[in-house]
Amino acid sequence: DTAVSQTPKYLVTQMGNDKSIKCEQNLGHDTMYWYKQDSKKFLKIMFSYNNKELIINETVPNRFSPKSPDKAHLNLHINSLELGDSAVYFCASSRGRGGLETQYFGPGTRLLVL
Amino acid sequence: ELKVEQNPLFLSMQEGKNYTIYCNYSTTSDRLYWYRQDPGKSLESLFVLLSNGAVKQEGRLMASLDTKARLSTLHITAAVHDLSATYFCAVDPGNQFYFGTGTSLTVIP
Repeated sequence: DTAVSQTPKYLVTQMGNDKSIKCEQNLGHDTMYWYKQDSKKFLKIMFSYNNKELIINETVPNRFSPKSPDKAHLNLHINSLELGDSAVYFCASSRGRGGLETQYFGPGTRLLVL
Repeated sequence: ELKVEQNPLFLSMQEGKNYTIYCNYSTTSDRLYWYRQDPGKSLESLFVLLSNGAVKQEGRLMASLDTKARLSTLHITAAVHDLSATYFCAVDPGNQFYFGTGTSLTVIP
């Protein structure tokens, strides 16, 4: 069984569109994350979410919003997509509060904005 | 601004050799993480180091943390081809992960 899954794996869309990426973990973990990896492989955390506590990286534009319907899901909604949003987005989860435990990553969603 | 620097950025080494990757960071942090990423793949967590002097080993990889020097090392012993990947370190000074630039390792037969 896949521990952390993301859908879709690939997403090609036009500038200005709104899109969502879904993430689900079946590990029973308490904390979930979203990361962005750009074309130069640079990684940046976007959000972490633990028991309804959302911690936001202040550099993330407010066009990005995480939505968690329950503890096993943390979806990423992006409004008004821009060319610079093209990247690979990774979801991850860990047991307990962020930082103390091993993180498990999803396979990534490759977003291309045209 | 917090900086996390890895050295070297690219490393080509022969099988059987030893080498060390360095991770320097510019702020106080008691937590440091190492990840591995294969080309086109996701990330895999390798080590979580939570205190000064922490040392962890898994197979041919050993990671250590010196919080006073703001330095972590990832030591590779008797490299094998399967270790070819990009290795990232990251620090967490307070619920914010900051990643290094990554070290792309190629192990040559």
